[in-house]
This record gives sequence, structure tokens and C-alpha cells, in this order.
Amino acid sequence: ETGVTQTPRHLVMGMTNKKSLKCEQHLGHNAMYWYKQSAKKPLELMFVYNFKEQTENNSVPSRFSPECPNSSHLFLHLHTLQPEDSALYLCASSQDPGGAYNEQFFGPGTRLTVL
Amino acid sequence: EDQVTQSPEALRLQEGESSSLNCSYTVSGLRGLFWYRQDPGKGPEFLFTLYSAGEEKEKERLKATLTKKESFLHITAPKPEDSATYLCADPSGTDKLIFGTGTRLQVFP
Repeated sequence: ETGVTQTPRHLVMGMTNKKSLKCEQHLGHNAMYWYKQSAKKPLELMFVYNFKEQTENNSVPSRFSPECPNSSHLFLHLHTLQPEDSALYLCASSQDPGGAYNEQFFGPGTRLTVL
Repeated sequence: EDQVTQSPEALRLQEGESSSLNCSYTVSGLRGLFWYRQDPGKGPEFLFTLYSAGEEKEKERLKATLTKKESFLHITAPKPEDSATYLCADPSGTDKLIFGTGTRLQVFP
């Protein structure tokens, strides 16, 4: 595997389900990110992790719970979601967080549909 | 609050018809700019970083330029495979990238 991988690629869940999204980066980076992409809206940053420590929580509802066990893996645990949470969820990584010298590289995303 | 605006929202070109996409930003100090390409149902693919006003970078049919207030992505003699959404993003100096909404480009043969 190379780059940033995400599983599953597609997920359909009911409002009462609990599911998790997984991201793995094979680039040796130290920072990892979760973004939400909805139609007609800019990418919204959700969480930032630097060396496994969360450095940013962009006012995300508690029904989204991130976990970063090490610098290569990132999870997003989902529970009691709402239909408006349906979106493309993107994971990204960069060598270090922030700044023009730390380009972020994205995974293919998980297309989430909440019924 | 920093903001990134892209125009046009959508652009339809005939194959070989050159054009430019615009990215303007309101930031307190230029810290560089990223350009990405995104195909439907996929994650953004990194294209360029521009670090300072006056800088230019090229990749195949794409050329990105940067001034103090805006950036342009010039597409020369585009081909259908250049069809995608092009995103620009401002590294705001913190951990955040501030993205524009993108320009959806369609190139017809």
C-alpha cells in the first residue's frame, strides 16, 4: 500500500448504528487530519492530530469521536448520526502540521450515507 | 476571518481552448497557497505549492501563479482528462487549511 488509504470506501448506516472509519498513511508523516466534504461546500476540517496528540477540534459534535493510536493510523468513530452528516469523509496526512511547507496528502475518502 | 474564493464555479471548455481559474483570498499575511485536483468520488490530489508572490509553477498543461491577493491556474490546450474540480487552499499559519469551494472544469472533445 502507498499513500493514504481509507476503509470502507462506502458506508450506509442508520441513525442508531455505531460504525468506525479507518485511515492509514504510508508516508512516514507525523500529522493526520479528518475532513468532511459536503456538496457545494468547502472542505471542513474536523480534527488534527500531531504525533498522536489531538491539536484541533473544529467544534465537531460529540457523535463524531476520533482516535489516533499511532502516527500512521487514524479512526473516526460514529454513533447516533443524523441524515445531515451524510458526506464524503476524507483523511489526510502531512509531514508536520500547518504552514505552507507541509502539503497535505489525502486518501480516497469514505462516502457516508445516514438513513 | 480568512476566506478563500474561487471563480468561476464551473467552466466548460472545448478541447484545446485555454483558460484560467482564479483563487482569491483575504488573509492577514501571505503564507503560500496550495492547488489540488479532485476527481469525482476521490480525495484531492496535490498539484502545487506557491510560497511567495511572483512565484510560478508548471506541470504538464497547468501553470499556477501567485500575487499578493490571488492565484491563477492557467490551463493551456486542455484535454478531456483535465476535467476535474480544482481546489485552492490557504495554509492559514495554524494547523488549518482553508479551502475554496472549487472550480468544476469540464473539457469536451
